[in-house]
Amino acid sequence: NAGVTQTPKFQVLKTGQSMTLQCAQDMNHNSMYWYRQDPGMGLRLIYYSASEGTTDKGEVPNGYNVSRLNKREFSLRLESAAPSQTSVYFCASNRLGREGSTDTQYFGPGTRLTVL
Amino acid sequence: KNQVEQSPQSLIILEGKNCTLQCNYTVSPFSNLRWYKQDTGRGPVSLTIMTFSENTKSNGRYTATLDADTKQSSLHITASQLSDSASYICVVSARGGYNKLIFGAGTRLAVHP
Repeated sequence: NAGVTQTPKFQVLKTGQSMTLQCAQDMNHNSMYWYRQDPGMGLRLIYYSASEGTTDKGEVPNGYNVSRLNKREFSLRLESAAPSQTSVYFCASNRLGREGSTDTQYFGPGTRLTVL
Repeated sequence: KNQVEQSPQSLIILEGKNCTLQCNYTVSPFSNLRWYKQDTGRGPVSLTIMTFSENTKSNGRYTATLDADTKQSSLHITASQLSDSASYICVVSARGGYNKLIFGAGTRLAVHP
């Protein structure tokens, strides 16, 4: 049981390049999330998927797109990377992401992205 | 504006000592409050989750308290160990159609021998 896995662990891009961050979970969770973590700030939600087949914007969605490929996988795409997207990206999942849920969110190990 | 403020920003203690981390929030409407531990270079790991009706919850040497009236929470670590060196993040869940979490910036704890 690997939990939440993310690839790659590290990535350096040039401004304008594109890339996709991959996330997979093996806990049969319905809800999945993408966050970014910047120094001195709390994690901020980029996009989430409440269930397979649905995706919605979070707090900071501009410059990103997502795909819920199946129940296990949720990818994050940067179409044209900018230096402001330099950050650590975390994928997370939980059983049910409904309002008031006390389900634990499980996080992946993160992807450290630098955009030059 | 929904906000979660944590204090202190950083803390150094000696191994074996106790410490208390603080969290104040202005999230409304409130659903639940969580504490996470994040080791350097790793993702956050859940320590406790408390709902409105819960005043305290323990997980081993970690004890979280919640005062929903004053919108304050604390995380008390007893008999600290070197492995407790990490960032501790307070997270408040707001009602809003999905599991909306507002994260604090964290308290960075260093435990020295």
